[in-house]
Amino acid sequence: AQSVTQLGSHVSVSEGALVLLRCNYSSSVPPYLFWYVQYPNQGLQLLLKYTSAATLVKGINGFEAEFKKSETSFHLTKPSAHMSDAAEYFCAVSPSGGGYNKLIFGAGTRLAVHP
Amino acid sequence: ETGVTQSPTHLIKTRGQQVTLRCSSQSGHNTVSWYQQALGQGPQFIFQYYREEENGRGNFPPRFSGLQFPNYSSELNVNALELDDSALYLCASSTDRGGTGELFFGEGSRLTVL
Repeated sequence: AQSVTQLGSHVSVSEGALVLLRCNYSSSVPPYLFWYVQYPNQGLQLLLKYTSAATLVKGINGFEAEFKKSETSFHLTKPSAHMSDAAEYFCAVSPSGGGYNKLIFGAGTRLAVHP
Repeated sequence: ETGVTQSPTHLIKTRGQQVTLRCSSQSGHNTVSWYQQALGQGPQFIFQYYREEENGRGNFPPRFSGLQFPNYSSELNVNALELDDSALYLCASSTDRGGTGELFFGEGSRLTVL
């Protein structure tokens, strides 16, 4: 069975500091991997996705993630945090060719950015 | 371009009642999926509809049911409500039913069961 583990339910960084949100997955088949962001009182928005092309994936708002098969990881990074990055971030996995949009989400990491 | 809209935004029900949640998909999207997000957790897949038929289901009991209409809008129905059904229910639409595309989420319907 596929699963996603996000290490750290809360992460706090200073404005301008590096953002690193950790995600490890478990999958018996090559997965599709996603990062979504949820701002307060809003739905989820796709940040980026990995679908077996380049292992370094660039997304919106300066975020990127690197797929490491040997470590079964898909960590999300941003070189310099901005106050507007404060939100909840979800890593998700989908079996390739699963036939339907069943995303398996992690429990989420709440990112706080302080001045 | 209109995004995914859901109604109602908030509602309160009592245990044993039935509830219907509605979703209008984004223009041009023919696939709708529903997720349940309990407090402090990630969303969990309930089911997906494609061309008015359910074509994928998560680990939810039959009292969770749905419909998709010819205009691709959708309903989620939950019968015999339980306290644990209290959650944010998210609808997502896409142009791809195969699990590789981007999902566009609505803002959700927050259900409280007393």
